[in-house]
Amino acid sequence: AQSVTQPDIHITVSEGASLELRCNYSYGATPYLFWYVQSPGQGLQLLLKYFSGDTLVQGIKGFEAEFKRSQSSFNLRKPSVHWSDAAEYFCAVGAQDSNYQLIWGAGTKLIIKP
Amino acid sequence: DGGITQSPKYLFRKEGQNVTLSCEQNLNHDAMYWYRQDPGQGLRLIYYSQIVNDFQKGDIAEGYSVSREKKESFPLTVTSAQKNPTAFYLCATQQGPQTYEQYFGPGTRLTVT
Repeated sequence: AQSVTQPDIHITVSEGASLELRCNYSYGATPYLFWYVQSPGQGLQLLLKYFSGDTLVQGIKGFEAEFKRSQSSFNLRKPSVHWSDAAEYFCAVGAQDSNYQLIWGAGTKLIIKP
Repeated sequence: DGGITQSPKYLFRKEGQNVTLSCEQNLNHDAMYWYRQDPGQGLRLIYYSQIVNDFQKGDIAEGYSVSREKKESFPLTVTSAQKNPTAFYLCATQQGPQTYEQYFGPGTRLTVT
């Protein structure tokens, strides 16, 4: 069965520093990959997605992610974080044999130090 | 203005009462989902519907019920059989069964005392 692992429950980063959030998945074929962001008490917003093609994808709010097939990873990056980036970030995988649903990681909470 | 509406934002109920959470969409999406979110547990799928008048149980369907009589609406009833109903509930839509990308409503926080 497919699974998604976000190994970091919390990450603390200083404002202006770079960020990398990790996501690993388990799936035999190339999956459809997503990163979502959730501010406290809000719904989820799509940051970016990978379906095929260029393995480095750009998203909203200055985020990017890189698909690495050899490592089964889809890590999210941002070169310089802002206080407004403090939120919870979810990685998700879609695969045909999951009945077209998304399989979700447990989330990583990003804390920004001033 | 297209979107997904969940109402109310906050809901309070006494133990033993059934309560229905509303989810409405005007995106013309075929599929709709209900998730439950508890601190530190990510999103857990309760029910989903890929077409009107049809729905399937997700991973944690016990104590919940749904209906899908209209494409625009997918209400979730939390019954008294749900042992721990206090949580944040999220509704999502998906354009079609092979599109994967999901769009989320703002959520309803249910507190049962």
